[in-house]
Amino acid sequence: GAVVSQHPSRVICKSGTSVKIECRSLDFQATTMFWYRQFPKKSLMLMATSNEGSKATYEQGVEKDKFLINHASLTLSTLTVTSAHPEDSSFYICSASEGMGGELFFGEGSRLTVL
Amino acid sequence: AQSVTQPDIHITVSEGASLELRCNYSYGATPYLFWYVQSPGQGLQLLLKYFSGDTLVQGIKGFEAEFKRSQSSFNLRKPSVHWSDAAEYFCAVGGGNKLVFGAGTILRVKS
Repeated sequence: GAVVSQHPSRVICKSGTSVKIECRSLDFQATTMFWYRQFPKKSLMLMATSNEGSKATYEQGVEKDKFLINHASLTLSTLTVTSAHPEDSSFYICSASEGMGGELFFGEGSRLTVL
Repeated sequence: AQSVTQPDIHITVSEGASLELRCNYSYGATPYLFWYVQSPGQGLQLLLKYFSGDTLVQGIKGFEAEFKRSQSSFNLRKPSVHWSDAAEYFCAVGGGNKLVFGAGTILRVKS
């Protein structure tokens, strides 16, 4: 199957700083990418849908100014957590598809710890 | 609203025993249904999916799932569990690419 890669896999940062997580589709062009957040012992919560070349669509309750999503190319989407706070500590997972209705491929996830 | 319920938070089975993980969903139209597996610290791997047609779906690693519309269920089964199957399993429902996930079931395999 297709490969989606996230980087970094683990990141630790101080409160108040910003952290960028990258999601790349390695062997296909992803017109749509999705960002999920996974809380401990809980399921994945969809944060936003990003379409190449346009603004991301955020789910209700997700702060747009805090979680900045950019999908500048067909193979790269980035999630920037701004002014990080300890409650932002979580496992963030991206997924990508070649188009609407296409199979979703998931990245390995990125564990963010904010001190 | 779409929702997925996985009633069992943890399940422990002996290696070689059969397995069934339950999933019930609520969806307004004909659902697309998925089962994913997640190993610790890893992303999700698709085990199988149902879009239409035969209600018994075969997946990877010897897993299968049966779609039962009357029961709004999509239970995952495996006839003989291996120690390497220990992981967390997520059922998901969706249309297009947006998926709603269940809370997950953690499978433990005892030797």
